[in-house]
Amino acid sequence: AQSVTQLDSHVSVSEGTPVLLRCNYSSSYSPSLFWYVQHPNKGLQLLLKYTSAATLVKGINGFEAEFKKSETSFHLTKPSAHMSDAAEYFCVVSGDGATNKLIFGTGTLLAVQP
Amino acid sequence: GAGVSQTPSNKVTEKGKYVELRCDPISGHTALYWYRQSLGQGPEFLIYFQGTGAADDSGLPNDRFFAVRPEGSVSTLKIQRTERGDSAVYLCASSNYGGGSGANVLTFGAGSRLTVL
Repeated sequence: AQSVTQLDSHVSVSEGTPVLLRCNYSSSYSPSLFWYVQHPNKGLQLLLKYTSAATLVKGINGFEAEFKKSETSFHLTKPSAHMSDAAEYFCVVSGDGATNKLIFGTGTLLAVQP
Repeated sequence: GAGVSQTPSNKVTEKGKYVELRCDPISGHTALYWYRQSLGQGPEFLIYFQGTGAADDSGLPNDRFFAVRPEGSVSTLKIQRTERGDSAVYLCASSNYGGGSGANVLTFGAGSRLTVL
């Protein structure tokens, strides 16, 4: 069965320093992988997606993620954090070939300190 | 419409009551999804529709939960005999993905916050 594990429930960085949010996936199928962001009292927004094309995926707001099959990882990075990046981030994997559902991780809450 | 619309945005009910939550997807999107998000958790899959039919209802927790999409557009999530544990934000999403290559990108609504007293 498909699943994702977000290795950190909370990450705190200083403004201007790099961000790393870690995600490992489990899949018996060639997966699609996504990162979604949820700001307080706002809806879920797609940051970026991987669909077996380029392994380095660029998203909105300067975020990137790299698909590493050998490590079953899809970590999210950003070179320099902004205060506005403070939010909850979810790593998401597509279902197996029998279903189109998406499976969410438990989330990583990113805090950005001034 | 331009986005996914969910009503009501907030619903407070008493234990044992019946509740309906409505989702109006993006026009033309054939797939519609329901998720449930409890406090501090990630969204949990409930059910998704492809057109009018439920393609995967494996996430519905029990037979108190039911969803319909009779005309392939608007969907209603129905919860009977509500319990305090049903309190959560219920999220609806839609996509125009029908399978095959490419990614299934979901566009989410703002959610319906259900509180069962």
